[in-house]
Amino acid sequence: DTGVSQDPRHKITKRGQNVTFRCDPISEHNRLYWYRQTLGQGPEFLTYFQNEAQLEKSRLLSDRFSAERPKGSFSTLEIQRTEQGDSAMYLCASREGAIEKLFFGSGTQLSVL
Amino acid sequence: SQQGEEDPQALSIQEGENATMNCSYKTSINNLQWYRQNSGRGLVHLILIRSNEREKHSGRLRVTLDTSKKSSSLLITASRAADTASYFCATTSSQGGSEKLVFGKGTKLTVNP
Repeated sequence: DTGVSQDPRHKITKRGQNVTFRCDPISEHNRLYWYRQTLGQGPEFLTYFQNEAQLEKSRLLSDRFSAERPKGSFSTLEIQRTEQGDSAMYLCASREGAIEKLFFGSGTQLSVL
Repeated sequence: SQQGEEDPQALSIQEGENATMNCSYKTSINNLQWYRQNSGRGLVHLILIRSNEREKHSGRLRVTLDTSKKSSSLLITASRAADTASYFCATTSSQGGSEKLVFGKGTKLTVNP
């Protein structure tokens, strides 16, 4: 257990529905990252926050995806109008500012039917 | 897009043998990290090597970095069945001030008892 919590662990939804995932980072970590990973691939960067500010967002991320970190603590990732291609593992990671290594949660496995 | 490319994609060895995985990347970097991932779980940080370092050790792990060739290798000595996992290299670019960590596609290591 790295100390980064993600909820839920698994989510099954029908195409067109909205889904929201939550990530609770390690409490003293001010950087929070979201990644997406499909089978047999490495994690693909989606976005990251420094405290509550979203500093970078992947150009590959469609406008159906939105992430927030309202108080600089937990974060949510919402996918609107889900598509089958959104099926993947969504990983959250956090780190302290001065330390480059990331601590990952166990991920949320999304299946869009 | 993924900057790192690991080689080989899959590796199967016997317990006690050494395992070597290679990673190539495209842009100038600040540092290179290696992570491992057990099936269906989050990633765990193994080791970080900075761009001005050539070799680093941690327990049974040895990492080398050749910035002129834009490549790194991870050596696991005296492998154990518990080392069975996927291994990813990840880089932080030295250009543009981005703090995102870009992962490769990974090497799937199987250690047979």
